[in-house]
Amino acid sequence: QEQLVESGGGVVQPGGSLRLSCAASGFAFSTYAMHWVRQAPGEGLAWVAVMSYDAINKVYADSVKGRFSISRDNSKNMLFLEMYSLTRDDTAVYYCARGPQGYDLWGRGTQVTVSS
Amino acid sequence: IQMTQSPSSVSASVGDRVTITCRASQGISTSLAWYQQKPGKAPQLVIYAASSLQRGVPSRFSGSGSGTDFTLTISSLQPEDFATYYCQQTNSFPRTFGQGTKVEVK
Repeated sequence: QEQLVESGGGVVQPGGSLRLSCAASGFAFSTYAMHWVRQAPGEGLAWVAVMSYDAINKVYADSVKGRFSISRDNSKNMLFLEMYSLTRDDTAVYYCARGPQGYDLWGRGTQVTVSS
Repeated sequence: IQMTQSPSSVSASVGDRVTITCRASQGISTSLAWYQQKPGKAPQLVIYAASSLQRGVPSRFSGSGSGTDFTLTISSLQPEDFATYYCQQTNSFPRTFGQGTKVEVK
């Protein structure tokens, strides 16, 4: 069945880096734009970034611009989020999600904790 | 585009009709989605394009609106509907969510 599985989260010190992965299966990954969305503890949903289906176009939220980099490997059905210069405000569950008109498929999320 | 939901929480009983509103800071046509999220779980799409019911979602859920004002209605609240609901504009980047509305047991 259609599935997204995130991995790569963990505990990192302020100023550190982390690379998140999202493995897609059960659908034509290369035909969909893919997004990252995060949710800080006790908070609402916040959109992070998007990459077009062909990996040509990408857009970032202002809060992560210049620090995060989204990429994908359509040959391996994988989406990535490289995160640099992490701060405590980046602590959140990070979800990958599919869909142009609303996200109809989500992963379970991966926890990123920025703490010394 | 800022998205503002109201109320931030609502207390209701099984069988009640519940309405949540979402206002966009500028016109977004019908580019609006609604999600349901339960604690510890990923959100699930309920409504897309303002009024289209996502496959598999019960028909007691409905969405309406266009431009700047939107509503999500649950016609007869069921026990499994107690959750937090978010709207999201899909008109432009950055995509933005409302702050959420928690539907609680009265």
